[in-house]
Amino acid sequence: DTEVTQTPKHLVMGMTNKKSLKCEQHMGHRAMYWYKQKAKKPPELMFVYSYEKLSINESVPSRFSPECPNSSLLNLHLHALQPEDSALYLCASSPRESGTGGNYGYTFGSGTRLTVV
Amino acid sequence: SQQGEEDPQALSIQEGENATMNCSYKTSINNLQWYRQNSGRGLVHLILIRSNEREKHSGRLRVTLDTSKKSSSLLITASRAADTASYFCATDAGRITSGTYKYIFGTGTRLKVLA
Repeated sequence: DTEVTQTPKHLVMGMTNKKSLKCEQHMGHRAMYWYKQKAKKPPELMFVYSYEKLSINESVPSRFSPECPNSSLLNLHLHALQPEDSALYLCASSPRESGTGGNYGYTFGSGTRLTVV
Repeated sequence: SQQGEEDPQALSIQEGENATMNCSYKTSINNLQWYRQNSGRGLVHLILIRSNEREKHSGRLRVTLDTSKKSSSLLITASRAADTASYFCATDAGRITSGTYKYIFGTGTRLKVLA
């Protein structure tokens, strides 16, 4: 299995809703990531989960919260989102965290298209 | 400006022609990667070049890296309509709060190959 699976593919939620995005990989990768991508813009890193340690990009608001139930799953919990949070949310994984002595490409999922109304 | 900036922002060529995209970055890196993204889909890893490498090939792809100029180029030879996509470079420069490396994607080049 060489894929990263994201569900759902599309999600429409109201500003008072609570929802979760799911990401799963069975490649034995030890690092997983959440990226946010607005239309015609590059992906922006939100979170890194590597060797059971969570790293947060400072600019990410607290209405986004990641959870890593095990080494194969990385969820993103959403609460009280704003319309400007509408975007494509991409999950990725790599064998290890790149840049720390290793050189690893990322495997991306196909993304969740989120619309906040 | 961003760590990775690509030019051109958009490129339109005829099938069979070569396409060249450039990426510039600001800080020292361990490696540089190129990704392709079809419209509204996930990114696909194309090639990784380490900081001590100058050129790398994969099929119709050729990547060069010039660390003295902090730049890289991606060449797609004999382009096909299926190559139509956005192409991003990504570098492992910079850290986020806990010391974890942060991969930064360039602004991207939108390539259109006309049949």
